[in-house]
Amino acid sequence: GDSVTQMEGPVTLSEEAFLTINCTYTATGYPSLFWYVQYPGEGLQLLLKATKADDKGSNKGFEATYRKETTSFHLEKGSVQVSDSAVYFCALINAGGTSYGKLTFGQGTILTVHP
Amino acid sequence: NAGVTQTPKFQVLKTGQSMTLQCAQDMNHEYMSWYRQDPGMGLRLIHYSVGAGITDQGEVPNGYNVSRSTTEDFPLRLLSAAPSQTSVYFCASSYRANTEAFFGQGTRLTVV
Repeated sequence: GDSVTQMEGPVTLSEEAFLTINCTYTATGYPSLFWYVQYPGEGLQLLLKATKADDKGSNKGFEATYRKETTSFHLEKGSVQVSDSAVYFCALINAGGTSYGKLTFGQGTILTVHP
Repeated sequence: NAGVTQTPKFQVLKTGQSMTLQCAQDMNHEYMSWYRQDPGMGLRLIHYSVGAGITDQGEVPNGYNVSRSTTEDFPLRLLSAAPSQTSVYFCASSYRANTEAFFGQGTRLTVV
């Protein structure tokens, strides 16, 4: 079945540092890929998405590129802020097979940014 | 714009009790789903619905029931609560099954 693997956390950075959170996936066909963010005590919010190979999703300074050859969708940000502290989830939707509409999530990566 | 609204935000149940978690969306989305979030396991799909009157099981459906009588509402029923159902529950909706999902704020459920 489909699966998503994220780098283990927690990740602790100083403000203005560069962020990379690795995400790789296993899926048949052509899944759509997402990054969601969960701030403390809140639900998940869509951060960015990519629906086909080589697409780059971007939002709020975060970027991720859909790499089919390496089955990866790594999240990057050039300069993190304290307000970016949250849990980040990589996820996919696979249109085919028995996974109709199901979001498959990675286990989440906790990011803490210190001033 | 309310989006996806879940109630209650917190709930404590005794083993064997039943309850319903409410979920409503005002975006006229066809697809709705329930997930549970457990530490280190991401989110797992419990049940989903592709439209009013149509529901199906996800990967962890045991102990839960759903119904979808209207486009807006998708309640989740715990039939006889067990400590293993202690979790954070999220309702989500999307325009179609394979488009991005919008999540509610979650319900933190503790079964003692």
